[in-house]
Amino acid sequence: DTAVSQTPKYLVTQMGNDKSIKCEQNLGHDTMYWYKQDSKKFLKIMFSYNNKELIINETVPNRFSPKSPDKAHLNLHINSLELGDSAVYFCASSQEGSETGANVLTFGAGSRLTVL
Amino acid sequence: GQNIDQPTEMTATEGAIVQINCTYQTSGFNGLFWYQQHAGEAPTFLSYNVLDGLEEKGRFSSFLSRSKGYSYLLLKELQMKDSASYLCALRDSNYQLIWGAGTKLIIKP
Repeated sequence: DTAVSQTPKYLVTQMGNDKSIKCEQNLGHDTMYWYKQDSKKFLKIMFSYNNKELIINETVPNRFSPKSPDKAHLNLHINSLELGDSAVYFCASSQEGSETGANVLTFGAGSRLTVL
Repeated sequence: GQNIDQPTEMTATEGAIVQINCTYQTSGFNGLFWYQQHAGEAPTFLSYNVLDGLEEKGRFSSFLSRSKGYSYLLLKELQMKDSASYLCALRDSNYQLIWGAGTKLIIKP
């Protein structure tokens, strides 16, 4: 019944490795996102994706690549992991064109990545 | 540029009222959100303001003044479970969310 689910919840890996985080939403939302929350707790958008378009944040290194096999899934692949990639990564989804225009985000539980 | 400021930490007593302020600077505005985030969990939506005034939702209310670049979240009848971080987020002219660092609220018995 989980609305937005992401796996794994915890990921510990060595520098230089490649890893993926998976995300699935069963809300029927059109738009999905990846956010990074660092130790200072700022939430920073990395990518947003709807059926038609992937929007890439220019500040995200190209070692990060989102992959969306369908509108219910948005996975995050990270190549050549660095120490600074350690953070909590949140997947989220939203539905555009809601009645209130609020476009509220529903977040997954987060994936804590630790790079050693 | 865009900037959001909110206090880093606040402490309040169970049963009391607390107001968490958020000030912002932006060239374009399309709404202001408040989210609650318990430690180790995902942020969850609390409120949304796009017009000036107060939006009330149970024990929680949110206020917006666009001319002053100011919002607050008011929590009444505080409960221990309200201990969390409260994130202010601004939606800019490109409909992108800009997040504050959050205010950690500590509730004491």
